[in-house]
Amino acid sequence: DAKTTQPNSMESNEEEPVHLPCNHSTISGTDYIHWYRQLPSQGPEYVIHGLTSNVNNRMASLAIAEDRKSSTLILHRATLRDAAVYYCIRKCGSNYKLTFGKGTLLTVNP
Amino acid sequence: SAVISQKPSRDICQRGTSLTIQCQVDSQVTMMFWYRQQPGQSLTLIATANQGSEATYESGFVIDKFPISRPNLTFSTLTVSNMSPEDSSIYLCSVVVGWTSGTDTQYFGPGTRLTVL
Repeated sequence: DAKTTQPNSMESNEEEPVHLPCNHSTISGTDYIHWYRQLPSQGPEYVIHGLTSNVNNRMASLAIAEDRKSSTLILHRATLRDAAVYYCIRKCGSNYKLTFGKGTLLTVNP
Repeated sequence: SAVISQKPSRDICQRGTSLTIQCQVDSQVTMMFWYRQQPGQSLTLIATANQGSEATYESGFVIDKFPISRPNLTFSTLTVSNMSPEDSSIYLCSVVVGWTSGTDTQYFGPGTRLTVL
């Protein structure tokens, strides 16, 4: 079972950066790290993914530790719309399945 | 990307009855999945529904309780049979687009909120 560990909840202020940590200490060499988020009353949506190198896209940045045992999702300027549950998922490269943990509930204060 | 719609968006049903949930995708996709999200919980995969083959169920889910149809590459149904209050959940379908090793993205429907009385 592909397990990750995330804080249950985090709080941020609007327009400030947010760093969401994820621990995946038993990750294997072929596991990708995917992040999804679930806004209230919606299905999850893809945020970003990576293998070894840091990744950037229009939504966020993903910083992956050199030993790959942890990663951090970075929202550069949080908005109220970013309030959601953020899921960090280890995904085996040859497997299409996503195993969701409890995720981190991010609250953004105005 | 893929745009997914589900019908119904919500329903309230009596125990012992069955409900069929529809999932429609705006493009042809091979891999489709059905998830359940119980109140206050995370998502749990029910089954994988690939067109042209029988659905593959995860541990704890059986075909008699959750029969799935996948008649073509843009549509699937999930039936929740002989419902009990414990089946009250949000049911979501998702599809994989651009499946290559590790880099595929799943797109999710908005979910069907089911309440069983």
